[in-house]
Amino acid sequence: AQRVTQPEKLLSVFKGAPVELKCNYSYSGSPELFWYVQYSRQRLQLLLRHISRESIKGFTADLNKGETSFHLKKPFAQEEDSAMYYCALQAGTALIFGKGTTLSVSS
Amino acid sequence: EAGVAQSPRYKIIEKRQSVAFWCNPISGHATLYWYQQILGQGPKLLIQFQNNGVVDDSQLPKDRFSAERLKGVDSTLKIQPAKLEDSAVYLCASSLGGSGEQYFGPGTRLTVT
Repeated sequence: AQRVTQPEKLLSVFKGAPVELKCNYSYSGSPELFWYVQYSRQRLQLLLRHISRESIKGFTADLNKGETSFHLKKPFAQEEDSAMYYCALQAGTALIFGKGTTLSVSS
Repeated sequence: EAGVAQSPRYKIIEKRQSVAFWCNPISGHATLYWYQQILGQGPKLLIQFQNNGVVDDSQLPKDRFSAERLKGVDSTLKIQPAKLEDSAVYLCASSLGGSGEQYFGPGTRLTVT
């Protein structure tokens, strides 16, 4: 079955602390994975995709096919990173989203 | 560029009533998606259009939900009759092709009482 699992509903960290948002997937084919973010009162928007291998706003994510994971990381969290983060798997032409993790960064 | 537009932003109806949502995608985007997002869940794809043809409607409850994309631009999603469990945010998204980055609208929050 095609599935995306984000085990943490809420992650609270202090400003300057490292952040890791976990994402595991189940997919029989070659996966294409994304992280989408929704800031307060804003639209859902793409943060990064694994094939681009970019660092966006200091965030990176590496696809680990052995562990079927695509964790999102940032070495030093900022208050403006507080948002809802969704991991998504491209299955054919459809996106399958996880339930999301709320990241709360406090000073 | 203008983003994906949706209306209305909020709708409250009683169960068994009907409701319709409208979406205008980004100009030039061939692919349009409708998602349902229930509170505490991630978005779930209901239907995907490529131009005015349906690519995937496998998760659309066809006994009560319908969608169309006449002329391959705007789209409407209808629920008739609504049930309590249809309370959710309905998101429209568009993309240039059938994969890659999707651009989301602000959503329509539906409450069924």
